Amino acid sequence: GQQVMQIPQYQHVQEGEDFTTYCNSSTTLSNIQWYKQRPGGHPVFLIQLVKSGEVKKQKRLTFQFGEAKKNSSLHITATQTTDVGTYFCAGSGFGNTGKLIFGQGTTLQVKP
Amino acid sequence: NAGVMQNPRHLVRRRGQEARLRCSPMKGHSHVYWYRQLPEEGLKFMVYLQKENIIDESGMPKERFSAEFPKEGPSILRIQQVVRGDSAAYFCASSPPAGTGEQYFGPGTRLTVT
Repeated sequence: GQQVMQIPQYQHVQEGEDFTTYCNSSTTLSNIQWYKQRPGGHPVFLIQLVKSGEVKKQKRLTFQFGEAKKNSSLHITATQTTDVGTYFCAGSGFGNTGKLIFGQGTTLQVKP
Repeated sequence: NAGVMQNPRHLVRRRGQEARLRCSPMKGHSHVYWYRQLPEEGLKFMVYLQKENIIDESGMPKERFSAEFPKEGPSILRIQQVVRGDSAAYFCASSPPAGTGEQYFGPGTRLTVT
C-alpha cells in the first residue's frame, strides 16, 4: 500500500546545531506537506511543496521536494529550544481524495 | 475566526461502551478529515467527508466505526463497543472547498478505554 517513511525517529541536538529530517514515499506524490506537533498538541501546518525540485525557506527552515516527487527534506539551521517538537511530512495525491499519508515523524529535542 | 473545534477534549469509556467525537470545521470549510494517532506514532488517515457525503473511508475499520457530516451541525466520529485498542488521540482537520491542500487540525480528542 501507500507508505511514507521518515527518518530519523528521534534527534537530540545541542542548541545552535543544525537538524535535518528526511521523508520518502513509495509512490509519486502530488504534493508534500510538513507539519509540526508540540508535545500534547495538535499538528500545525508549516508548508506545502508542489513542484519537482522545489525549495522553500521559512527563516531558519529549508524545505526541499525531490526531482521525482517521491522524497523531501526539512532542514533547520542553528536550532533553538523553541524548535522542540515532532515534525511530520505528509504526502498527498493518493486517489485524488485529499487525504494525507503521514510519515512516522521525527521528534527533535534541543539541549540549551 | 475560530479554528477547528473538537469536543470533548478528553473522553473515558469502559470497554463495550460507545464513544462519540465531535468536530466543527473552520468557518467556510466544507471538507473534514479524521485521523487517529497512537502514542509515539504518526497520524493515520481514517475518513474524508464533505457535507452529507463520505468521500473516502479507506482508513476506517470495517466494524464498529462510522462517521457522518450532516448538512447542519458538526461531523461525528462514532465508535461502538469500544475496546482497549481504540485508546488514542483522534484529530479532525478541515480544508476549504477549493483547497490549496493544507489542512487545519483541531486540538484532538484523547480517548481512553478502561
